[in-house]
Amino acid sequence: AQTVTQSQPEMSVQEAETVTLSCTYDTSESDYYLFWYKQPPSRQMILVIRQEAYKQQNATENRFSVNFQKAAKSFSLKISDSQLGDAAMYFCAYTTSGAGSYQLTFGKGTKLSVIP
Amino acid sequence: NAGVTQTPKFQVLKTGQSMTLQCAQDMNHEYMSWYRQDPGMGLRLIHYSVGAGITDQGEVPNGYNVSRSTTEDFPLRLLSAAPSQTSVYFCASSYTTSGSPKYFGPGTRLTVT
Repeated sequence: AQTVTQSQPEMSVQEAETVTLSCTYDTSESDYYLFWYKQPPSRQMILVIRQEAYKQQNATENRFSVNFQKAAKSFSLKISDSQLGDAAMYFCAYTTSGAGSYQLTFGKGTKLSVIP
Repeated sequence: NAGVTQTPKFQVLKTGQSMTLQCAQDMNHEYMSWYRQDPGMGLRLIHYSVGAGITDQGEVPNGYNVSRSTTEDFPLRLLSAAPSQTSVYFCASSYTTSGSPKYFGPGTRLTVT
């Protein structure tokens, strides 16, 4: 079974600085998708970024980018120019591309605090 | 588009009571699912549906029932509530295309006393 591990339960960053959240996963599949979701205090799950495993280029979305290392099964999220609104729980998630692609497997989350 | 909507936002039940959590989406997504979120556990899949009339179990299905009579709606039924079902419940939907991002509803916080 696939597993997703987020080894940092909590992190903090100064406003305007850069922070990197770690995620590792375990799978025997070669084709799959990885996601980062943000959950602010409102509880809403918001998709931040998506990475396709067969693409070597790292995904970026404005201030958010990933470092995808397929061989190491690592998928970290970098937030640049951190803003107060970035404070939230961040979840890394995995889904296969084949049978079972209906299911997202989530890590336990990293709580990010932004210090003014 | 309203996206994915869930009702109610909060609910308190007594042990043994039954209730239905409602979920609807207006994006014409074929795939819908229910997750529960417990402290320190991330989100876990309860049940899912790949289209009207088709449902299947996820990782933690015990104590829950689902049906999918229309593309838009996917209700989750708690048959006899237990304190272990105290959790936050999320409904999600997506296209069935592999790797399609899941869109989540706002969640329902359920407390069973």
